[in-house]
Amino acid sequence: GPKVLQIPSHQIIDMGQMVTLNCDPVSNHLYFYWYKQILGQQMEFLVNFYNGKVMEKSKLFKDQFSVERPDGSYFTLKIQPTALEDSAVYFCASSSGGALGDTQYFGPGTRLLVL
Amino acid sequence: GQQVQQSPASLVLQEGENAELQCNFSTSLNSMQWFYQRPGGSLVSLFYNPSGTKHSGRLTSTTVIKERRSSLHISSSQTTDSGTYLCALEPNTNTGKLTFGDGTVLTVKP
Repeated sequence: GPKVLQIPSHQIIDMGQMVTLNCDPVSNHLYFYWYKQILGQQMEFLVNFYNGKVMEKSKLFKDQFSVERPDGSYFTLKIQPTALEDSAVYFCASSSGGALGDTQYFGPGTRLLVL
Repeated sequence: GQQVQQSPASLVLQEGENAELQCNFSTSLNSMQWFYQRPGGSLVSLFYNPSGTKHSGRLTSTTVIKERRSSLHISSSQTTDSGTYLCALEPNTNTGKLTFGDGTVLTVKP
């Protein structure tokens, strides 16, 4: 099926540093998402993005978080500064339909550890 | 309360047995999506099912909107089916945001 890629697969950083997680979505998709999963816990929605703008964000999407997709390249999630509670697996997803409804395809995740 | 409730939380089968996984939801939905989460964590989309019944090999998904439930049936289970199955509700709010259940951990023994 369609593939979403995420770079890096793992990242270890010190608390307070900045981190950028990169997502290469399915090529013709227009809607992009980030989800967060703490080990052993439920997958939770962070934010979705369409046409250069955030459509909706959850309470987990703190002020330290930002997303962008400059010039149609990677869809990125930036955390600045990071906190210990940001340690989790971050999944990127993309879909073609958005409000029309469509399958979301997920990447393999980036495992972030904040020390 | 939780918008999406999955049951059972865990299930152990002998190879060849069938499995029925349930997902109940409390809000209006645009669709229900079922995923398989590999032990390493990556998600595989199994079904996008707004209503009715869909089939894919040994898997069948049925969503009944009036009864606010969706099910995933696995027939003739295999050891490679072991892993976590997640349902995710896409609400009727035009944003595509998915709300996930807690998952069913399936173990199929040889």
